[in-house]
Amino acid sequence: GENVEQHPSTLSVQEGDSAVIKCTYSDSASNYFPWYKQELGKRPQLIIDIRSNVGEKKDQRIAVTLNKTAKHFSLHITETQPEDSAVYFCAAENSGYSTLTFGKGTMLLVSP
Amino acid sequence: DADVTQTPRNRITKTGKRIMLECSQTKGHDRMYWYRQDPGLGLRLIYYSFDVKDINKGEISDGYSVSRQAQAKFSLSLESAIPNQTALYFCATGGSPKETQYFGPGTRLLVL
Repeated sequence: GENVEQHPSTLSVQEGDSAVIKCTYSDSASNYFPWYKQELGKRPQLIIDIRSNVGEKKDQRIAVTLNKTAKHFSLHITETQPEDSAVYFCAAENSGYSTLTFGKGTMLLVSP
Repeated sequence: DADVTQTPRNRITKTGKRIMLECSQTKGHDRMYWYRQDPGLGLRLIYYSFDVKDINKGEISDGYSVSRQAQAKFSLSLESAIPNQTALYFCATGGSPKETQYFGPGTRLLVL
């Protein structure tokens, strides 16, 4: 089955800096890669996703890039704000199953 | 997202007891999922269902069972709870596009 590795496990930045979280996956047939944000005590919520026919997708301060050849994808957050502090999970589709395999998460702390 | 609800939100039980966690959704989605979340381990899939007649095991199904009573309801049971089942449990539904998942608020379970 799919295996998803996520790095780093923790990331501390100053407000206004950029943050990058990276994930690799094993199933070359995977075509869908979402990112979820989980604030403390809350449920995971989808913030952005990308499909294999696209190399990059942006939504305001958030962007995701995908390199299918290398089987890795990344989340980029620019101009970070304290409210960006949360745990971020990447995931990859298990091709043919409509299920997701999640990375272990990155705790992002944005200091004022 | 009040469209996916879970009951109870918190539960304390003893080793050997049978317990049921319930999930309901008003999104009209066919696909439903149960995950457990442990610190540092991310979200791991327990069971999933694509309709009332379709139940599938996920990555960590041992010690768990499920019931899909209706399109809107998907229950998770621990037949004989053990302490290492202490975790945060999330229900999710699958929307459109088909891979997108929406999470319930979670049930925090403590097995003594």
